[in-house]
Amino acid sequence: DTGVSQNPRHKITKRGQNVTFRCDPISEHNRLYWYRQTLGQGPEFLTYFQNEAQLEKSRLLSDRFSAERPKGSFSTLEIQRTEQGDSAMYLCASSIDPSPETQYFGPGTRLLVL
Amino acid sequence: AQSVAQPEDQVNVAEGNPLTVKCTYSVSGNPYLFWYVQYPNRGLQFLLKYITGDNLVKGSYGFEAEFNKSQTSFHLKKPSALVSDSALYFCAVRDDRGGDYKLSFGAGTTVTVRA
Repeated sequence: DTGVSQNPRHKITKRGQNVTFRCDPISEHNRLYWYRQTLGQGPEFLTYFQNEAQLEKSRLLSDRFSAERPKGSFSTLEIQRTEQGDSAMYLCASSIDPSPETQYFGPGTRLLVL
Repeated sequence: AQSVAQPEDQVNVAEGNPLTVKCTYSVSGNPYLFWYVQYPNRGLQFLLKYITGDNLVKGSYGFEAEFNKSQTSFHLKKPSALVSDSALYFCAVRDDRGGDYKLSFGAGTTVTVRA
């Protein structure tokens, strides 16, 4: 299967701990996106990359959040000093030019902060 | 600014009956519109999109959607619903202005198809 993959699929952590999620996009997709989805809501945009450059960050992305895509392939999303309000599904998507391209989503990482 | 509204939290239909899921949007420029479906504990699965051209867009699994510029709507339709169509459906929009690539999603509509 050559779809978007995310690891881990589930993460349970205690408040104050750091967590890191990984996203592997579809091969050769140059854009990669992170979204957050809470129960009963649609996904909300967090940030996106074009190749290795992070081009936009939502105001939802506090200083405790950082994302990287060091070689323009996989990406990591780190949350430092987790809070209970960080509990959500974190979705990754990827796309390829030409615009306006379709974003293809991974299965998500479900985070629960106790 | 771009936004989407899905006015119905839930839609219930009998198998074999037509299914419609409503979506309205707001953008500054022209819209790029998308429908996704989500099954429990899964990511979003792309159904169809409108970019330009024919207002009636056909997508996966027998779904189609009609773009109406005057009503700023992009309703999802299926002529004959199946029990397996029961899922959470999201409409999303992107503005063609500003070089912005992010999607804005509605809150979702839960579709239940009863046998």
